[in-house]
Amino acid sequence: SQTIHQWPATLVQPVGSPLSLECTVEGTSNPNLYWYRQAAGRGLQLLFYSVGIGQISSEVPQNLSASRPQDRQFILSSKKLLLSDSGFYLCAWSRVYEKLFFGSGTQLSVL
Amino acid sequence: SQQGEEDPQALSIQEGENATMNCSYKTSINNLQWYRQNSGRGLVHLILIRSNEREKHSGRLRVTLDTSKKSSSLLITASRAADTASYFCATDVGGTASKLTFGTGTRLQVTL
Repeated sequence: SQTIHQWPATLVQPVGSPLSLECTVEGTSNPNLYWYRQAAGRGLQLLFYSVGIGQISSEVPQNLSASRPQDRQFILSSKKLLLSDSGFYLCAWSRVYEKLFFGSGTQLSVL
Repeated sequence: SQQGEEDPQALSIQEGENATMNCSYKTSINNLQWYRQNSGRGLVHLILIRSNEREKHSGRLRVTLDTSKKSSSLLITASRAADTASYFCATDVGGTASKLTFGTGTRLQVTL
């Protein structure tokens, strides 16, 4: 069966510090991978998606970047965090035209 | 901008009652999906309905889709306290990836 791992669960970082969130998927090959962000009490905003190794599409201009160094690994990064980067970050995977499977999320607080 | 908008934003019912949540969207879609989120957790997929389908059932869940009105509804029958969560609709307009656009969600509270 397929599983998705996302870590860390919580993270408190100072403004201006770097960020690296990692997500890995097991039990499937060539998944579509996604990073979403959820503001408190709000819906999800798609940040990045990837349909293959090295293929990254950005949905919104922002202070973040994403990379997919391996088929089942998706990384969200920032060189310098802003206060506005705080939120709940969710990684997900899917096959084309099918449902998303979400990780457990990372609560990021930038202070 | 959000493609899907849920209504109501919050719903409080007693155990055993039915809960109905509505979702409206703006553009043509490939499919519409409903997800559930417990507080502070990831989302869990509930049901997917394709644009050529009008109704779908899964256990105590019933989803309808009206593409002419660009709307969908999620009905949870005989609700339980464990159904307490936020429920989101998400639309997929097609393409090379399932780029879902989520609504703002309905917070459902089921009391004993």
